[in-house]
Amino acid sequence: EIVLTQSPGTLSLSPGERATLSCRASQSVSSSYLAWYQQKPGQAPRLLIYGASSRATGIPDRFSGSGSGTDFTLTISRLEPEDFAVYYCQQYGSSLLIFGGGTKVEIK
Amino acid sequence: EVQLVESGGGLVQPGGSLRLSCAASGFTFSSYWMHWVRQAPGKGLVWVSRINSDVYSTTYADSVKGRFTISRDNAKNTLYLQMNSLRAEDTAVYYCARGGVSAALDSWGQGTLVTVSS
Repeated sequence: EIVLTQSPGTLSLSPGERATLSCRASQSVSSSYLAWYQQKPGQAPRLLIYGASSRATGIPDRFSGSGSGTDFTLTISRLEPEDFAVYYCQQYGSSLLIFGGGTKVEIK
Repeated sequence: EVQLVESGGGLVQPGGSLRLSCAASGFTFSSYWMHWVRQAPGKGLVWVSRINSDVYSTTYADSVKGRFTISRDNAKNTLYLQMNSLRAEDTAVYYCARGGVSAALDSWGQGTLVTVSS
């Protein structure tokens, strides 16, 4: 079974800074089925990126996704106050969905 | 507007059963795969199960296989999760979610809390 490892566990940054979040798979996965979600406290997750690099409807262009094989990245070019949240990567394969453990982006 | 509204959560004793429902609106429910995802208090997201749009093919996480059953009623635009033999470790908020492009979950409900405790 594929394992998705997200790093760092916590990222402490200031508004306006660039955030780079990593998602590493234990074996090569299809970039077509790699997604990223944002979750704020007390809220349901929200889809940000699908297919490794396509933004979901309504997602600002400061969010971007990249990567292939086993290494994927979510980049937030300039953090806005509303971007401080937990981010999860997710992969689909062999009829199963797998989530990474999450990265918390907190205000420094 | 896509809406997913879960219900049926609550407190149940270990070994007990519960059925969750997810009422869908704002889209053609019968055209989409649907999923259940759970989140234990203070923990991350864990995928539970999914059901195809029309052939009713289902898949489960190993942790719930044989105990949980996902189903849907396309006439009622409703997704279900029958949970049997519940354990303390099943305690979580359960979300229903719509499967979209590239198997990403593009719409989520607000979640319903299931607490398994004596």
